[in-house]
Amino acid sequence: GDSVTQMEGPVTLSEEAFLTINCTYTATGYPSLFWYVQYPGEGLQLLLKATKADDKGSNKGFEATYRKETTSFHLEKGSVQVSDSAVYFCALPGDMRFGAGTRLTVKP
Amino acid sequence: NAGVMQNPRHLVRRRGQEARLRCSPMKGHSHVYWYRQLPEEGLKFMVYLQKENIIDESGMPKERFSAEFPKEGPSILRIQQVVRGDSAAYFCASSPAAKATGELFFGEGSRLTVL
Repeated sequence: GDSVTQMEGPVTLSEEAFLTINCTYTATGYPSLFWYVQYPGEGLQLLLKATKADDKGSNKGFEATYRKETTSFHLEKGSVQVSDSAVYFCALPGDMRFGAGTRLTVKP
Repeated sequence: NAGVMQNPRHLVRRRGQEARLRCSPMKGHSHVYWYRQLPEEGLKFMVYLQKENIIDESGMPKERFSAEFPKEGPSILRIQQVVRGDSAAYFCASSPAAKATGELFFGEGSRLTVL
């Protein structure tokens, strides 16, 4: 069935560092792809999405490009802030199992 | 348009008591998902329900846990005879379409503490 494989954490960066969190997928066809974020004490919320191959989703300085040739949807941000400290989940429709996510801690 | 509403936000129970967690999906959503999250851990899928039907309960413990989503009213996750290991955050999500063909919308969670 459809599934994602996400880079395990935790990831600790200094403020203004570059962030990449890897995500690859296995799917039939070309489904939409999502990144969710969970800030401390809160539920998950959608961070960005891409609905077809070569689409780039972006939000709050984060970007991810849907690459069908490498079946990847890596999350990137050029300069992280302390407020980006959270758990990040890569997901696709039809796979309800979000898994462990990647915990990011940004230090001042 | 109100989001997914979960209550109570915090619940304290003693061992052996029952816990009932409620989830009201977003307006127009007929699909509900329950997840459990232990401290510092990821999200573990428990059950997926449609109105009056359990579609996938592969993540539910075989004993003491049950879920329902009646025709009227919120979805309920019920935990009987709670034990300390049930202490966790329980999240509900909803979607308008079958098997999450799109985005899931999450509530803020219910945090259960078992003394």
